[in-house]
Amino acid sequence: TQLLEQSPQFLSIQEGENLTVYCNSSSVFSSLQWYRQEPGEGPVLLVTVVTGGEVKKLKRLTFQFGDARKDSSLHITAAQPGDTGLYLCAGVNNNDMRFGAGTRLTVKP
Amino acid sequence: NAGVTQTPKFQVLKTGQSMTLQCAQDMNHNSMYWYRQDPGMGLRLIYYSASEGTTDKGEVPNGYNVSRLNKREFSLRLESAAPSQTSVYFCASSQGLAGHTQYFGPGTRLTVL
Repeated sequence: TQLLEQSPQFLSIQEGENLTVYCNSSSVFSSLQWYRQEPGEGPVLLVTVVTGGEVKKLKRLTFQFGDARKDSSLHITAAQPGDTGLYLCAGVNNNDMRFGAGTRLTVKP
Repeated sequence: NAGVTQTPKFQVLKTGQSMTLQCAQDMNHNSMYWYRQDPGMGLRLIYYSASEGTTDKGEVPNGYNVSRLNKREFSLRLESAAPSQTSVYFCASSQGLAGHTQYFGPGTRLTVL
């Protein structure tokens, strides 16, 4: 059983559509990170959220940390083919960081 | 700056063979990590080194050993490879432990026959 559950596991959409992916846990985290991984490469950090209820925006990407700091969401507006990749969330507590299995997003032109 | 480099990029081993995966970072980071990534399992931590001279077990350490050779280099050794160790291995580094940004290498794809 994963400490962090990400949903959906796979998502395929057309260019221009909006989407939301989720990262859920029964554990409370001191912070949560989102990474994007492209095929054949290592993950790259997109954002870190620290405060419950926090919302951070990165161009067309909006990240939210749940009020109880147990879950997070990533919303992409007007998806583009360049958004294609594996989106991983990672929960941090003390010196322990655990990754979810990821959501594999495909944006078709 | 090259960031985090890993060698080799691909490797095929037979069951029982040994090998060492090499990792180096040029960002003067204190902490380094080894992960494995399997389909549907996400990234799982094998070993980490909080600082030069220290190493600690992660979530899945069995069958692996590590060496923090100096501040730049952190190697992962498989003494007797098993098919269950077929995976993609990533090395990462960060300024401090969990919560800091981790910078990942490009990965090593290992197949054990």
